[in-house]
Amino acid sequence: EIVLTQSPGTLSLSPGERATLSCRASQSVSSSYLAWYQQKPGQAPRLLIYGASSRATGIPDRFTGSGSGTDFTLTISRLEPEDFAVYYCQQYGSSPPIFTFGPGTKVDIK
Amino acid sequence: QVQLQQWGAGLLKPSETLSLTCAVYGGSFSGYSWSWIRQPPGKGLEWIGKINHSGSTNYIPSLKSRVTISVATSKNHFSLKLRSVTAADTAVYYCARGIGGSSSPHFDPWGQGTLVTVSS
Repeated sequence: EIVLTQSPGTLSLSPGERATLSCRASQSVSSSYLAWYQQKPGQAPRLLIYGASSRATGIPDRFTGSGSGTDFTLTISRLEPEDFAVYYCQQYGSSPPIFTFGPGTKVDIK
Repeated sequence: QVQLQQWGAGLLKPSETLSLTCAVYGGSFSGYSWSWIRQPPGKGLEWIGKINHSGSTNYIPSLKSRVTISVATSKNHFSLKLRSVTAADTAVYYCARGIGGSSSPHFDPWGQGTLVTVSS
């Protein structure tokens, strides 16, 4: 089973700053199988990125996903007040066919 | 726009069976997979299992012996049953649509979540 590790655990930044979030897999993951979600307190997660780099419908272009193999990155180019949240990466393993999530990175206001 | 609405009992005693249902509104039920995902208070997300419209299922190995996901295609509903619950099963449970098939699987949208508390 592939294990996902996210770093840092917490990222303290100011609005307007750039956020770089890392998701590392314990073994190589197909880029097609890597997604990112945003979760705000009391809300369900929201899909941001799928296929490692494709933005979901309605997601602003300040959100960019990149990476391959075992290292993936979510970049928020300029943080808006509504971007302060927890971000999870997710991968799909076809053998066995299960989904796993990383532990999350919290982006909070400095 | 597809929306998922879920419901079920929020307070259970140890050894009881958790039962949740998720209804799909505004979109096709076939052609997608349908998953349950949970989140213990203050913790991360754990995928529980999925079912497709034809009834084929996959479960996370750690819960496989206690979980059943079923589908009622005619009603655009799918359900989760988790038997013999303990306090460790206390979590917010989400239903979610799986899209992207086997080429780029991910979840969108999600239900609103149901807090299930297991306590004697």
